Amino acid sequence: GESVGLHLPTLSVQEGDNSIINCAYSNSASDYFIWYKQESGKGPQFIIDIRSNMDKRQGQRVTVLLNKTVKHLSLQIAATQPGDSAVYFCAEKKGAGTALIFGKGTTLSVSS
Amino acid sequence: DAGITQSPRYKITETGRQVTLMCHQTWSHSYMFWYRQDLGHGLRLIYYSAAADITDKGEVPDGYVVSRSKTENFPLTLESATRSQTSVYFCASSDSYNSPLHFGNGTRLTVT
Repeated sequence: GESVGLHLPTLSVQEGDNSIINCAYSNSASDYFIWYKQESGKGPQFIIDIRSNMDKRQGQRVTVLLNKTVKHLSLQIAATQPGDSAVYFCAEKKGAGTALIFGKGTTLSVSS
Repeated sequence: DAGITQSPRYKITETGRQVTLMCHQTWSHSYMFWYRQDLGHGLRLIYYSAAADITDKGEVPDGYVVSRSKTENFPLTLESATRSQTSVYFCASSDSYNSPLHFGNGTRLTVT
C-alpha cells in the first residue's frame, strides 16, 4: 500500500553534531511534504515544508531535501541541541482535495 | 491568545458511553482536522472539514461523528465508546489545503 515511512525509528546523536532524519514515500503524485516535531505531552509542531517543484529548502538550523527520483525526503538539523530531542514525523499530501498522511516517526535523542 | 485549544485534556469514560471532545481555534482557519495517535500507527486522520457545514471522512472514521456549525469549533463525538478508541486525539487547523497544519495539545482518552 501507499504510505509514508521513516527509515529508522530511533536516532541518537551527540550535542553539536548534525542530525539527518530520513523518510521514504511511495506515491509519485505527492506534491507537498511537511516535517513536524513532537515533544512529550504536546501536539506536533510545524518545522518546515517543501513543495514538489523544489528539491531543497532551508530554515533556521534545518534543511529539508526532496529527491523525487527515489521518493526520498530528509530533514537535516545543524548543531543539534538537547532541546531538539523529540519525535519527528514526515507527512505527505497526495494532491488537491486530499489530507496529510503521516509517517510513524523517528525519535531523536540528543546527549550532551 | 490566538491558537487552537482542545478540551478536556484528559478523559476517562466507560464502554458504551457517549463522549465529546472539543476543539476551538481563534485563527478563523477554514480547514480543521481530527487525528488519533496510537503507538505503532502514528497519526491517523479521522475526519476533516473544509468549511462550516462541510465535513469529510478520513482514514478511520468508524465510530465517530463530527459537526462544524461554526468555523471556530469542530467537536468530535464518540457515539458509543469502545476500548479500541482509547487514544490521544489531536485537533488541527490550517488556512488552506496546502498550508501547514497547526495542532492542539491533544486529549488523552481512556475507555474502560
